[in-house]
Amino acid sequence: DQQVKQNSPSLSVQEGRISILNCDYTNSMFDYFLWYKKYPAEGPTFLISISSIKDKNEDGRFTVFLNKSAKHLSLHIVPSQPGDSAVYFCAASASGGSARQLTFGSGTQLTVLP
Amino acid sequence: DSGVTQTPKHLITATGQRVTLRCSPRSGDLSVYWYQQSLDQGLQFLIQYYNGEERAKGNILERFSAQQFPDLHSELNLSSLELGDSALYFCASSVDPGNTEAFFGQGTRLTVV
Repeated sequence: DQQVKQNSPSLSVQEGRISILNCDYTNSMFDYFLWYKKYPAEGPTFLISISSIKDKNEDGRFTVFLNKSAKHLSLHIVPSQPGDSAVYFCAASASGGSARQLTFGSGTQLTVLP
Repeated sequence: DSGVTQTPKHLITATGQRVTLRCSPRSGDLSVYWYQQSLDQGLQFLIQYYNGEERAKGNILERFSAQQFPDLHSELNLSSLELGDSALYFCASSVDPGNTEAFFGQGTRLTVV
């Protein structure tokens, strides 16, 4: 049972336009959400996060939106750049005792076309 | 460079064999996580250690085991390997077990033939 789902395996966007990556989750215990970016032959790198007490978090060109009622989050990249081409993983965490571990989605390959 | 070092980068072995994957966390990080990424799958959490002790377990098979040593490096042992164990194995570290902004190594690609 996939608790974190990224239903689009790939997305192509023109340089300068907006990229919107989507993520759905099923576990209502999740209270912290993260996006990771992964280039080939490298490990995932942390991009941006959001706590369940917020509905939006912004960092430069990257904004994450959280809709708790729909159990949906999205990552907006504006403007998109060719260097943004990578696999983007959505991840979620539930507070449970003192240990947290991330549940990842299967990733979305973003290609930004010059 | 995340500061997390994993060795080896690539490993090819036969079914039934046993391998050990090694991870050195970022300097100062006490918590180590292991993840498995199979083809077209997201990262699956396997196990977490904090300061030498097991802290949380995920979907880790009984054939797999891990430990964290006093110098905080960690090893993931995979035994009786099967073709389906072929995957990327990532190690991540964080300062404490409650910190979810983990830093990942570049992974070990295991191929079982």
